[in-house]
Parts: sequence; C-alpha cells; structure tokens
Amino acid sequence: GQNIDQPTEMTATEGAIVQINCTYQTSGFNGLFWYQQHAGEAPTFLSYNVLDGLEEKGRFSSFLSRSKGYSYLLLKELQMKDSASYLCAPLDSNYQLIWGAGTKLIIKP
Amino acid sequence: GAVVSQHPSWVICKSGTSVKIECRSLDFQATTMFWYRQFPKQSLMLMATSNEGSKATYEQGVEKDKFLINHASLTLSTLTVTSAHPEDSSFYICSASPGTDHNEQFFGPGTRLTVL
Repeated sequence: GQNIDQPTEMTATEGAIVQINCTYQTSGFNGLFWYQQHAGEAPTFLSYNVLDGLEEKGRFSSFLSRSKGYSYLLLKELQMKDSASYLCAPLDSNYQLIWGAGTKLIIKP
Repeated sequence: GAVVSQHPSWVICKSGTSVKIECRSLDFQATTMFWYRQFPKQSLMLMATSNEGSKATYEQGVEKDKFLINHASLTLSTLTVTSAHPEDSSFYICSASPGTDHNEQFFGPGTRLTVL
C-alpha cells in the first residue's frame, strides 16, 4: 500500500529552526513535493525533490533520500506567518500525488 | 505565473440543489486538472483527474453521477455537485498541471461548500 508518515503537530519558537520529517511508501516514485497550507486555504508549493540531497530555497530547504523513503523540510528563522500545515506528497509511478494528513506547525513568540 | 482561479470562493445552498464550481488556469494551458475534497483537519482527498476533451477518471468511492466533471478546454474544468446533501459540505480544491516533467500541480484557492 501507499503510506505517508509525518508528525501530527510540532511547536517551535519564532526565530528558531525546525525540521519536519516525512517517511513514505509508494508504488513507484517520481519525486516528492512539499506544500504549505494555511487554515482554510488551498496548498501552496514549497519545493520539489527528485534526486537525493538537499535543495535550498531561501529560508526553506528540503532533503530527500530515495533509498530510505525519507524526506525532511527545514525551516529557518521562523516567523509567525509560518504557522501552517506542511504536507509531504510523493508522486507515485502514475504521477499521482499521494497526500498525508500533514504536520501542523505552531510558532510561538 | 501558474495562477489557478476557482469560482465561487464559497457557496451556501439548500439540500437537493446542484452547485457548479469552476476552475481556470489563467496563464497556462492545463493538460490535466484535479479535483480534491478536504474535510476539516483531514488530508486532501483526490476525487477525480480530468484531461481536456476526455472523460474524468474518478477515484474509488467517488460517485461520478453525483460529481460531474467537465474539462471542456485547456483552461477550464467544472465540478457540479448534483442533488447536494449536508454531508457534501466540504472544502473543494482544484489543481491544474501544465504537464511538465514532474507534473507539478498548481492549486486554486478552493471553494467552501455548505449544504443546509
């Protein structure tokens, strides 16, 4: 079967760094997306990894290890507006996104 | 670039009526459009995938006669919830893909449907 495993909720302090881990099992693999979703809004694209390694984009970085079925999203210099759910979504062999429930990130002052 | 719009943003209707939701890719041609539903505090659930000019592919458990999808052009797809009931109240989100190598999906802002 296909499965996504992320922590349900995380709390971090403004200005700090937080790492959100994701492990996945899919039928085939064609890359992995990270999306941000604020409450009541649609997801917005953050990153896409298809090769192993780290992709850096401003305050956000995403890492992928295909052999381990593992990815993480690293958020630096946290801001209050980063409070949202973060969705790890791998693409399976049919190029279909597999969605988990996401990680709700709470930022405290 | 890669903007997707949805209309309406929210709708309230009476039980038994039909509601149409439009999804448009504003600055690119979408070879594929996706329709999702999301209940509070739950993950996105894919309802159906549609390619322009062909019939939509529905996910298991989604009634195709209840959720009518039309993908008439490369920039427009519509979802019609027929004979809506209170249990259909949800957040409906469309996404569109230009068909790039990794099939990136660009999401619309979503439509909040409340059926009384």
